[in-house]
Amino acid sequence: KQEVTQIPAALSVPEGENLVLNCSFTDSAIYNLQWFRQDPGKGLTSLLLIQSSQREQTSGRLNASLDKSSGRSTLYIAASQPGDSATYLCAIHGSSNTGKLIFGQGTTLQVKP
Amino acid sequence: IAGITQAPTSQILAAGRRMTLRCTQDMRHNAMYWYRQDLGLGLRLIHYSNTAGTTGKGEVPDGYSVSRANTDDFPLTLASAVPSQTSVYFCASSDQPGLRLQFFGPGTRLTVL
Repeated sequence: KQEVTQIPAALSVPEGENLVLNCSFTDSAIYNLQWFRQDPGKGLTSLLLIQSSQREQTSGRLNASLDKSSGRSTLYIAASQPGDSATYLCAIHGSSNTGKLIFGQGTTLQVKP
Repeated sequence: IAGITQAPTSQILAAGRRMTLRCTQDMRHNAMYWYRQDLGLGLRLIHYSNTAGTTGKGEVPDGYSVSRANTDDFPLTLASAVPSQTSVYFCASSDQPGLRLQFFGPGTRLTVL
């Protein structure tokens, strides 16, 4: 059974720092991997989707990498800002037919001014 | 603004009552999904629909039913609510079923007493 883990559960950094969020999964035979952002009391906003054949995707200050052989993905945030404070979730597509996403429990990031 | 709307935003419900959570999208997406988010358990798929007229069971379907009469709407019904169904419910959609980017609604916070 595929399991997705995100460590640490919470992270606090000063503004301007570059940081890395980690996501690991138990079964390397994955389809796509998606990173989301969730603000308190809000829905999920999709940040990046990495297809299983790709190694990384970039959007602005965000860069997500995927290493299937080691069962890991990382989300790199450059020059962090207070507005980046949120919970970041990674999710793996668990089925090519249903579109089912298997989520990690998230890392809550606080960027202090 | 295109996207997904959910109603109600929040609801307190007595156990045993029937409740329908509404979800509407205006992106003409074929696939739609219902997830629940619980502290410590993350998001889990309840039901999905690959296209209008079809539905399927996700990871935690018991106690819930869905219908997909048209492309835009995907209501989730709790026939007889129980306290364990207290959760935040998110509706999502993707342009096609399977390994596609999923877009999420703002969520419905449901409390069953």
